Amino acid sequence: DVKVTQSSRYLVKRTGEKVFLECVQDMDHENMFWYRQDPGLGLRLIYFSYDVKMKEKGDIPEGYSVSREKKERFSLILESASTNQTSMYLCASSSPGQMNTGELFFGEGSRLTVL
Amino acid sequence: DQQVKQNSPSLSVQEGRISILNCDYTNSMFDYFLWYKKYPAEGPTFLISISSIKDKNEDGRFTVFLNKSAKHLSLHIVPSQPGDSAVYFCAASARSGTYKYIFGTGTRLKVLA
Repeated sequence: DVKVTQSSRYLVKRTGEKVFLECVQDMDHENMFWYRQDPGLGLRLIYFSYDVKMKEKGDIPEGYSVSREKKERFSLILESASTNQTSMYLCASSSPGQMNTGELFFGEGSRLTVL
Repeated sequence: DQQVKQNSPSLSVQEGRISILNCDYTNSMFDYFLWYKKYPAEGPTFLISISSIKDKNEDGRFTVFLNKSAKHLSLHIVPSQPGDSAVYFCAASARSGTYKYIFGTGTRLKVLA
């Protein structure tokens, strides 16, 4: 059974803190993604990676960075958390062949609250 | 600028009846469309897709229709079941940048028993 695991389901952080959101997939997928979901805005792409050590900006990369040192792991980093980064963060993965069928496999999400 | 729009934030349907969820897009370069379903506290799961070379795709109770001239797609669920109650997202992509799926804002479907 395919699985995308996000390390923390719920986090509460203070403004200015550094935040790490971890994502691990066990499907040997090349592509990994970070989205955030906000009411009325749908899912918006923050960053994605199509290979180890490769990364590309999505639609809303400001205030975020990512790290992909191993194929199975994709980390989202908030260098200095701000209240407008309070959101649900969703990690996803896919293989290049699956891009044509649209199958992104999502984790369960990490709900981050920044106070 | 929202390139993919789901104008109905919520929809209630009686069990056994048809649910119709709508999605409009503005970018004529989009040529691949998808629907995802999301339950609370879970990640979205892929439901069904359609390529722009087709105008209909069926998978069991789920059918997606595409009207390219109107830049409109719809998801039909027949018959609707209480377990279908979830948030549904449509998404679109252009083949040249298949990594980039633009998602709509979602429609919350409630199927009443």
